[in-house]
Amino acid sequence: NAGVTQTPKFRVLKTGQSMTLLCAQDMNHEYMYWYRQDPGMGLRLIHYSVGEGTTAKGEVPDGYNVSRLKKQNFLLGLESAAPSQTSVYFCASSYDPPQRETQYFGPGTRLLVL
Amino acid sequence: SQQGEEDPQALSIQEGENATMNCSYKTSINNLQWYRQNSGRGLVHLILIRSNEREKHSGRLRVTLDTSKKSSSLLITASRAADTASYFCATVTGGGNKLTFGTGTQLKVEL
Repeated sequence: NAGVTQTPKFRVLKTGQSMTLLCAQDMNHEYMYWYRQDPGMGLRLIHYSVGEGTTAKGEVPDGYNVSRLKKQNFLLGLESAAPSQTSVYFCASSYDPPQRETQYFGPGTRLLVL
Repeated sequence: SQQGEEDPQALSIQEGENATMNCSYKTSINNLQWYRQNSGRGLVHLILIRSNEREKHSGRLRVTLDTSKKSSSLLITASRAADTASYFCATVTGGGNKLTFGTGTQLKVEL
């Protein structure tokens, strides 16, 4: 069981470039989440999914898009990267919603936008 | 804005001492969860306490919840150097599909 994995671990982008972050889980979880973590702040929810083919906006969705074409994968896309998107991105998953269960986190992706 | 606010922001103690971290939140919750984050790593779940519970234990961890004061505390007893990490509280409100994290407490346990 690999749990929750994230690809890549680290990436440097130039302003305006695009990229996709991949999150994969092998626990057959229904719920998946993308967060960003900035210095001095807790995690903020970007987008989440309550099942294959579904997505929903979180607290800070602007500038990001997501897709959940397969149950085990949740992709986070940046269409035109901005320096304000420099952050550490964490993916998480759970079988049940947060009102019933905790979340399992990936190791994070460090993104630097120049 | 953050739902949960941890206090203190940073805490430094000696190995063997107890560490107490507090979390205050603003709106009614379904449950409150505590997570640990080691430097450069993802978050790891510690304890989930439901709104109708007042206290939970897990090994050296003790969590209390006071819904009337909208606050929770995490106590780590007999701390070890390996407990050095950031600790976050997170709350579940409303429809229950989202966790809202606090800003965290950085704990340093010195030998």
